[in-house]
Amino acid sequence: EDQVTQSPEALRLQEGESSSLNCSYTVSGLRGLFWYRQDPGKGPEFLFTLYSAGEEKEKERLKATLTKKESFLHITAPKPEDSATYLCAVQAMGGGGSYIPTFGRGTSLIVHP
Amino acid sequence: DADVTQTPRNRITKTGKRIMLECSQTKGHDRMYWYRQDPGLGLRLIYYSFDVKDINKGEISDGYSVSRQAQAKFSLSLESAIPNQTALYFCATSDVQGATDTQYFGPGTRLTVL
Repeated sequence: EDQVTQSPEALRLQEGESSSLNCSYTVSGLRGLFWYRQDPGKGPEFLFTLYSAGEEKEKERLKATLTKKESFLHITAPKPEDSATYLCAVQAMGGGGSYIPTFGRGTSLIVHP
Repeated sequence: DADVTQTPRNRITKTGKRIMLECSQTKGHDRMYWYRQDPGLGLRLIYYSFDVKDINKGEISDGYSVSRQAQAKFSLSLESAIPNQTALYFCATSDVQGATDTQYFGPGTRLTVL
């Protein structure tokens, strides 16, 4: 069974204090790993897709990396507007129901000014 | 205009009532999904549809039904609502691009069952 575990559950940072969020996964053949951002009361918004170990992607202050067992979302010099819940999801090889992404429970990030 | 829309955005109803949540998309995607989100539990899949003639149960389909009226429309029904169905409901669409499906979510419907 595919599993996705995100840590920490909640993270409070001061503005400018860099940190990382973790997504550990167990899947029988990774097709892709996704990162989403979710603001309170809104739908998740797509950030990145990573396909293979060693891959990195960046967007503004966010950088996502991938190994064979986990992914990190690095936040460099965060600003209050980066406050949100960050969701990780994995998509496995195979067809049918196994193709549906499995989501972690998310990390709630608060950045204080 | 939003690519994925959900109606209503908020709904309060009573136990035993029938409720329909609607989702429409203009992205032209074949695949559509319904999720519910509860605090501390993350997103859980209710139903998914890979095309108009294909409907599949997700991990928590009991108490729910769906209808795929067209490529662009996917509705979720609660035949007899109960309080533990109080949650935030999201519709999503996806289209295979290369090796993966990227999902695009609607704004959500906040449902309260009294």
